[in-house]
Amino acid sequence: EADIYQTPRYLVIGTGKKITLECSQTMGHDKMYWYQQDPGMELHLIHYSYGVNSTEKGDLSSESTVSRIRTEHFPLTLESARPSHTSQYLCASTPALAATGELFFGEGSRLTVL
Amino acid sequence: AQSVAQPEDQVNVAEGNPLTVKCTYSVSGNPYLFWYVQYPNRGLQFLLKYITGDNLVKGSYGFEAEFNKSQTSFHLKKPSALVSDSALYFCAVRAPREGDDKIIFGKGTRLHILP
Repeated sequence: EADIYQTPRYLVIGTGKKITLECSQTMGHDKMYWYQQDPGMELHLIHYSYGVNSTEKGDLSSESTVSRIRTEHFPLTLESARPSHTSQYLCASTPALAATGELFFGEGSRLTVL
Repeated sequence: AQSVAQPEDQVNVAEGNPLTVKCTYSVSGNPYLFWYVQYPNRGLQFLLKYITGDNLVKGSYGFEAEFNKSQTSFHLKKPSALVSDSALYFCAVRAPREGDDKIIFGKGTRLHILP
């Protein structure tokens, strides 16, 4: 089992609420990623980070924001949730120096916005 | 630009039969290729990877994959399917360049193993 944790696993909220999805890893990995997985299964990279104070937008435009104040923590925030944000969000990490390394994924956070 | 294609949305195989899940890629330079599996309501789990060397790589749960450079393919295989292999499978490619290390996933293939 990988040491990367996501909370909450499931969240149902109303439109307009602010939410934060937490992601923490205890492996000391520098690189971390957020993927959005739509009902059709496909994964879309929405944010990534190469280390503390580094954040970049991914290939899919997202209204969410991220921060990386500590190596082990990479939270994702939606200031005002909408039904279009309903999705599964997956966090992942990998060691920075191991370009050949695989990603370690959390269990995911399934968000439903009513 | 890097890309990964999984041409089949779904593959159905009878239990005990060999299975193949297809993946082709497009990348500049030498690719690093990966397969992941996702069970319902779970995150992705790493199965195997090709970095260099032997074109046939072996991974978890009896899976293997063959790297074919001329066909730019990295198909996932298993000699004898189990019902418990039913899951979602993702192929991914990584082609690190200085300052840009993107990991691109295919759209996924749903594998159904029929009892």
